Amino acid sequence: AQKITQTQPGMFVQEKEAVTLDCTYDTSDQSYGLFWYKQPSSGEMIFLIYQGSYDEQNATEGRYSLNFQKARKSANLVISASQLGDSAMYFCAMREGPFSGGYNKLIFGAGTRLAVHP
Amino acid sequence: EAGVTQFPSHSVIEKGQTVTLRCDPISGHDNLYWYRRVMGKEIKFLLHFVKESKQDESGMPNNRFLAERTGGTYSTLKVQPAELEDSGVYFCASSQDRDRGIYEQYFGPGTRLTVT
Repeated sequence: AQKITQTQPGMFVQEKEAVTLDCTYDTSDQSYGLFWYKQPSSGEMIFLIYQGSYDEQNATEGRYSLNFQKARKSANLVISASQLGDSAMYFCAMREGPFSGGYNKLIFGAGTRLAVHP
Repeated sequence: EAGVTQFPSHSVIEKGQTVTLRCDPISGHDNLYWYRRVMGKEIKFLLHFVKESKQDESGMPNNRFLAERTGGTYSTLKVQPAELEDSGVYFCASSQDRDRGIYEQYFGPGTRLTVT
C-alpha cells in the first residue's frame, strides 16, 4: 500500500539558516507525484512545491527545493534562509497513478512542525 | 481570483445530530476533493468529484457520510448522525484537470467539527 512517512514530528531552526524536512514514500506505481504543503497556524493548506516521478531535475520554487532521491524513495524539502514566517506545519503528500483520470487523491504524511527561532 | 472557501469554519454539535459542511471550489476547477484530519492522525482522503460525478469515494468511512455536488459547482458533505469519532478538521480542495504537468490541489481553510 502507498504510504508517506515523515519521521520528524518537530524541528527547529535558527532564522536565516537552512533546514531539511524529511519525507520517504512507498509505492509500487511507476508514475506518481510528490507535493509539499505548508499549514500555518491559521489552518489553510498552502501548496509549496511539486516533483513528478519522471522529472530528472529536483524541483525548486524560490527558497524551497525538493531533494528527490528516487532509488531511496525520499523527497526531502529544503528551506533555505529560514524566516520567522516559515514557522508552520509541513506535510509531504503523494499522488498515485497517472496524471489524469481518477487517480488524483493525495496521501499525506503525519507532518513536521517547524519552529524558526530569531 | 477567490480561493477555495468552506463554511462553517467551526461547528460544534451533539452526538446524533446532523451537520452539513459546504465547499466552494475555485471557479473553473472541475475536480473537488474532501479530506479530513482526525486529531493526531494523518490527513485522509474521503472522496473526489469530477464535475458532478463521484470519481472516487473509497475514503468515505461509512454510510453516515453523504457528499453531493449538484451542478458541478459547490459541494456539501453531510454527516448524519454524527458520532464522537467524526470530530476533526474537514478540508476541501480543488484542482484543474490538465493532461500533464502539475495540477496541484488548492485547499480551503477547513471546517473544524467538534462532536460532543
